[in-house]
Amino acid sequence: QVQLQESGPGLVRPSQTLSLTCTVSGGSISITNYYWSWIRQPAGKQLEWIGRIYISGSTNYNPSLKSRITISLDTSKNQFSLKLSSVTAADTAVYYCAGAGGDSSSWGIFDSWGQGTLVTVSS
Amino acid sequence: DIQMTQSPSSLSASVGDRVTITCQASQDISDYLVWYQQKPGKAPKLLIYDASSLRPGVPSRFSGSGSGTHFTFTISRLQPEDIAIYYCQHHDNLPWTFGQGTKVEIK
Repeated sequence: QVQLQESGPGLVRPSQTLSLTCTVSGGSISITNYYWSWIRQPAGKQLEWIGRIYISGSTNYNPSLKSRITISLDTSKNQFSLKLSSVTAADTAVYYCAGAGGDSSSWGIFDSWGQGTLVTVSS
Repeated sequence: DIQMTQSPSSLSASVGDRVTITCQASQDISDYLVWYQQKPGKAPKLLIYDASSLRPGVPSRFSGSGSGTHFTFTISRLQPEDIAIYYCQHHDNLPWTFGQGTKVEIK
């Protein structure tokens, strides 16, 4: 099973862009029928799916965040990334990268997760 | 978006007790329902998929059932290491959404 590791700044200023990278190890990010997602969790609150990307570069985003999200892929580095623009304190959360794959009915079953990284939005 | 409502939000039970958590979907999601376990400071861990299928390696005291809009998750005999927050999540259509979680504690 692949391992995932998030990296990026732990502090972002309000109105700036949050940027995180997820490095995949123990397997190729270019695996077929596998989607790579970002999920976040504000302190003490429930999980929120942010969006996903496929090896083709095709993306799907949560409509609640769609206007501010960009997810991209760098197959040469076995990484995928998240950019969230115009952040506010409400974007403070632990951000997880996760993978889901198999047949089409499994594309929403997250069987691999990074450890998570806390991003705080504050001036 | 499909809303997932879990109950209770927290529970306290004794070691060896049977624990049941329910998850209600705001519309029919067939069996596209997953259960995760999250321990403090850790990422969620997949336990049950397709509403009732146990992930390989997960202890058999964990089980799930249901279809459509009503689902249950059961720990047959609660163990100290089961202390965690449990989340349901649907994967019927985008966006995927999660329940608000159920915190399980030892009495």
